[in-house]
Amino acid sequence: AQSVAQPEDQVNVAEGNPLTVKCTYSVSGNPYLFWYVQYPNRGLQFLLKYITGDNLVKGSYGFEAEFNKSQTSFHLKKPSALVSDSALYFCAVSPHEDDMRFGAGTRLTVKP
Amino acid sequence: NAGVTQTPKFQVLKTGQSMTLQCAQDMNHEYMSWYRQDPGMGLRLIHYSVGAGITDQGEVPNGYNVSRSTTEDFPLRLLSAAPSQTSVYFCASSLKGNSQPQHFGDGTRLSIL
Repeated sequence: AQSVAQPEDQVNVAEGNPLTVKCTYSVSGNPYLFWYVQYPNRGLQFLLKYITGDNLVKGSYGFEAEFNKSQTSFHLKKPSALVSDSALYFCAVSPHEDDMRFGAGTRLTVKP
Repeated sequence: NAGVTQTPKFQVLKTGQSMTLQCAQDMNHEYMSWYRQDPGMGLRLIHYSVGAGITDQGEVPNGYNVSRSTTEDFPLRLLSAAPSQTSVYFCASSLKGNSQPQHFGDGTRLSIL
């Protein structure tokens, strides 16, 4: 079965420290990979995507993600966290054009 | 630039009632989709459309109908509401399919009593 796993429900980091939000997937072929962020009472907002090419993808608001094909992972990273980064983060995988699978989400809390 | 607009923002229904959740986008996107978001489960695809006149089922289509008579609008119909359909519903659109970033509306929070 095609699936996306975000193994951590919650990630806590101190402001200024690096952050990582983990994502692994189990889908066939070469999927498109995405990260989205959700703020309270809002829809999801696109952060970045990987289709092919460089394994390190840069996105919005200083976020980047590292693709690892052998580990089927696509971890979200940021070198220096801000309090305003606190939100719900979703990893998403598209096995083909007509399908999109989301992880359960990871709540990131950045403390001052 | 409105993006993706969903109405209503909140709705309470009784079991067995029907209703339509509205979704409109002003970006001339071909691809539109409906998701439901439940705690601990992320978003699950209900139905999608690759263009006007074309719709198809996603992962959890039962109990829902859609139509796409225009490029801009993609309404979701609950035929006979059940408590299991209590959820937050999101409409999304993209230029062409899931290789492109999705633009999401702010959601409709639906409670079925």
